[in-house]
Amino acid sequence: AQSVAQPEDQVNVAEGNPLTVKCTYSVSGNPYLFWYVQYPNRGLQFLLKYITGDNLVKGSYGFEAEFNKSQTSFHLKKPSALVSDSALYFCAVRDTGTASKLTFGTGTRLQVTL
Amino acid sequence: GAGVSQTPSNKVTEKGKYVELRCDPISGHTALYWYRQSLGQGPEFLIYFQGTGAADDSGLPNDRFFAVRPEGSVSTLKIQRTERGDSAVYLCASSLQGISTDTQYFGPGTRLTVL
Repeated sequence: AQSVAQPEDQVNVAEGNPLTVKCTYSVSGNPYLFWYVQYPNRGLQFLLKYITGDNLVKGSYGFEAEFNKSQTSFHLKKPSALVSDSALYFCAVRDTGTASKLTFGTGTRLQVTL
Repeated sequence: GAGVSQTPSNKVTEKGKYVELRCDPISGHTALYWYRQSLGQGPEFLIYFQGTGAADDSGLPNDRFFAVRPEGSVSTLKIQRTERGDSAVYLCASSLQGISTDTQYFGPGTRLTVL
């Protein structure tokens, strides 16, 4: 079975400050990890994914995520937050033996203020 | 290029009625997925198509839910005898090959409200 935990319902950050949105996972094999962002009344937009290789993955809009196998974590980061980054962020995992479904966390709402 | 499209964007129906939700994937994508997102939750997997066949329907909650993809492109999710608990946003996604490293690209969703 595969699962994802996003321990924070909401993260508040001032514009210009670094942000971190936390994600931990559980899979039986090796994980493939994804981050998506959801704006109000919109579908999910893909940000980045970890498949293999470098533990630091760079994605869209200046976001990056660090894969940590020993801590089973895949935290999303950005060096300098923008007000326009305010949205709902979802972490998702797929076991290497699973071709189909993604398993999503419950989401973390990021609020960036001036 | 065009992304995943879903129609209708909103659907209001009465308890007990039948509804159909349509998904048009990205051109050339062989894999198609349906998810359901309830308020305050992440998307939950319903069914996965590889081509015309349902490769994994383990997420369908009961036999009132059914999906088809007859020509390997457009898919329709069908819900019979709708219940208030079916109210949610139904998301469709597609990916190029359906392999585990693929990125799934999502449509805007259909918001279903069962009165």
